[in-house]
Amino acid sequence: DGGITQSPKYLFRKEGQNVTLSCEQNLNHDAMYWYRQDPGQGLRLIYYSQIVNDFQKGDIAEGYSVSREKKESFPLTVTSAQKNPTAFYLCASKGTSRTYEQYFGPGTRLTVT
Amino acid sequence: GNSVTQMEGPVTLSEEAFLTINCTYTATGYPSLFWYVQYPGEGLQLLLKATKADDKGSNKGFEATYRKETTSFHLEKGSVQVSDSAVYFCALSVGSGGSNYKLTFGKGTLLTVNP
Repeated sequence: DGGITQSPKYLFRKEGQNVTLSCEQNLNHDAMYWYRQDPGQGLRLIYYSQIVNDFQKGDIAEGYSVSREKKESFPLTVTSAQKNPTAFYLCASKGTSRTYEQYFGPGTRLTVT
Repeated sequence: GNSVTQMEGPVTLSEEAFLTINCTYTATGYPSLFWYVQYPGEGLQLLLKATKADDKGSNKGFEATYRKETTSFHLEKGSVQVSDSAVYFCALSVGSGGSNYKLTFGKGTLLTVNP
């Protein structure tokens, strides 16, 4: 089955540590996205990538970093510079320019104490 | 800029009641409009979409009509079920591709349906 996988589902870290969240897709989609979801805030875009080896900052990129070395993979690193890292993180992908919708993974809930 | 405003929840209904969740938008350009649904502890799933004015998106008994004159895309269902309990997000995008393609989301509306 084609889809987007995110691992792990739950992640716990101590303050001051960097942590990397995994996102893999086998949909052959060019574009991939990372969102952060907080209660009552909706989804906010962190980073997105339209093509391998290229990515752009979203609305709340500070304290995060990404890489796009392979079409299937778009890992997100939450650095110690992110002031409030505890949140639910969602990865998404999108197909060709003729399609409009994004497809989402199941999410990773990160808790930093 | 682009923005989406949807009715604040939570919304609590009895099974078989009629559902409306209001959504209005502001966009530079001609947007496509979406409703996504998020079940507890899961990611988002596309529920329905409309890409031009007067289009009606529909899926699983849910409907929404793209109203350009009122910049609205209200979600409706004639008879809700307990299994419809979830958070519903209205979203828009301007452009179908290109380097600046992004979705703009509303804050979400929590729906709880009681038996």
